[in-house]
Amino acid sequence: QVQLVESGGGVVQPGGSLRLSCAASGFTFSSSGMHWARQAPGKGLEWVAFLQYDERNKFYADSVRGRFTISRDTSKNTLFLQMNSLRPEDTAVYYCVKDNPVLEVWGQGTLVTVSS
Amino acid sequence: EIVMTQSPATLSVSPGERATLSCRASQTVRTNLAWYQQKPGQAPRLLIYKASTRATGIPARFSGSGSGTEFTLTISSLQFEDFAVYYCQHNNNWPWTFGQGTKVEIK
Repeated sequence: QVQLVESGGGVVQPGGSLRLSCAASGFTFSSSGMHWARQAPGKGLEWVAFLQYDERNKFYADSVRGRFTISRDTSKNTLFLQMNSLRPEDTAVYYCVKDNPVLEVWGQGTLVTVSS
Repeated sequence: EIVMTQSPATLSVSPGERATLSCRASQTVRTNLAWYQQKPGQAPRLLIYKASTRATGIPARFSGSGSGTEFTLTISSLQFEDFAVYYCQHNNNWPWTFGQGTKVEIK
């Protein structure tokens, strides 16, 4: 079955960087678009970024554009989210999500805390 | 960006009763609308896509309807496992956006 396992979360100071990873299995990763979404503590869901299966298109939420970069390593079935210039409002659980053609399957998430 | 507005914020329903949740888009999203269920401490789960198509494994008591800017999620007879928060989300164009959620609680 489809499995998505996020890692790389933790505590980082404002202005710092963090790279999240998502290990995918149970489906043909190279043929699937992938997303990141997030949820601040006690708040609702926010879509963050999308990467097309062939990497020809990437889209970002306005709140992260220019600071976050989505990428993938197809040889390792892994999705990444490079987060730079982090702000306290980026504190959230970050979810890796398989596209088909909406947010079909979600990982369990990894918590990122931006605090001094 | 398209703003998604859900109502009500909280819905109190008795088990076995019908629940009707609403979602409104600030501009047309055609039928590019999905619904998700989230239980405490869990990741969201896809229920409905294309406004009315149930995702794999979703019980028939969940149904979606609507197009354009007005959408509805109906749970025909609430089971205990259905008490959760429900989100609508459009995928009509980028950026995708979610509604703020409707919490369905036990009355």
